[in-house]
Amino acid sequence: ETGVTQTPRHLVMGMTNKKSLKCEQHLGHNAMYWYKQSAKKPLELMFVYNFKEQTENNSVPSRFSPECPNSSHLFLHLHTLQPEDSALYLCASSQDGRGGYNEQFFGPGTRLTVL
Amino acid sequence: GQSLEQPSEVTAVEGAIVQINCTYQTSGFYGLSWYQQHDGGAPTFLSYNALDGLEETGRFSSFLSRSDSYGYLLLQELQMKDSASYFCAVMGAGNMLTFGGGTRLMVKP
Repeated sequence: ETGVTQTPRHLVMGMTNKKSLKCEQHLGHNAMYWYKQSAKKPLELMFVYNFKEQTENNSVPSRFSPECPNSSHLFLHLHTLQPEDSALYLCASSQDGRGGYNEQFFGPGTRLTVL
Repeated sequence: GQSLEQPSEVTAVEGAIVQINCTYQTSGFYGLSWYQQHDGGAPTFLSYNALDGLEETGRFSSFLSRSDSYGYLLLQELQMKDSASYFCAVMGAGNMLTFGGGTRLMVKP
């Protein structure tokens, strides 16, 4: 148990669909992150939220839209994705992400397939 | 930007010692982390080095040389359950991690 949950675990969607990924952390952390993990590529940081404020958008296309309603929940809204967006999307959380190193705790990921 | 290099694959036998190297080029460096990821699982934190030297945690140790932009993860007394992917990651400003491509470790009986 990592204390970070993600739903759904698997998602298949067409290029015209709209879907959302959900992440919830039960660790009392203040920072949350979205990463993309593609086959044969490093984990790529997509978005960072500290205290519900987005502090980093790592040049992610606008078809990915994050939302952080509170420090425990993080969403990734998906719209008109491309097949190359198929990947494992990982959520992570940590203590305050601005005050030096804090270990990041990862969720199990959502395996996304875009047809 | 950041770039990290680590071997893509390493094979070792049970009980052996294996070292996974990581070299990095960065525009901002606070420290080097290591994460383990089993197939189908989430990455889990193993270690963090902010200063030069060796950090030991049980069977795992991690080393950093900031002047050489180099670090390694040392796994001793290998067990079958250590078969996994191991990622080095540079910590930059704002607690942001940039990951290497990962090293797939296969432990054989």
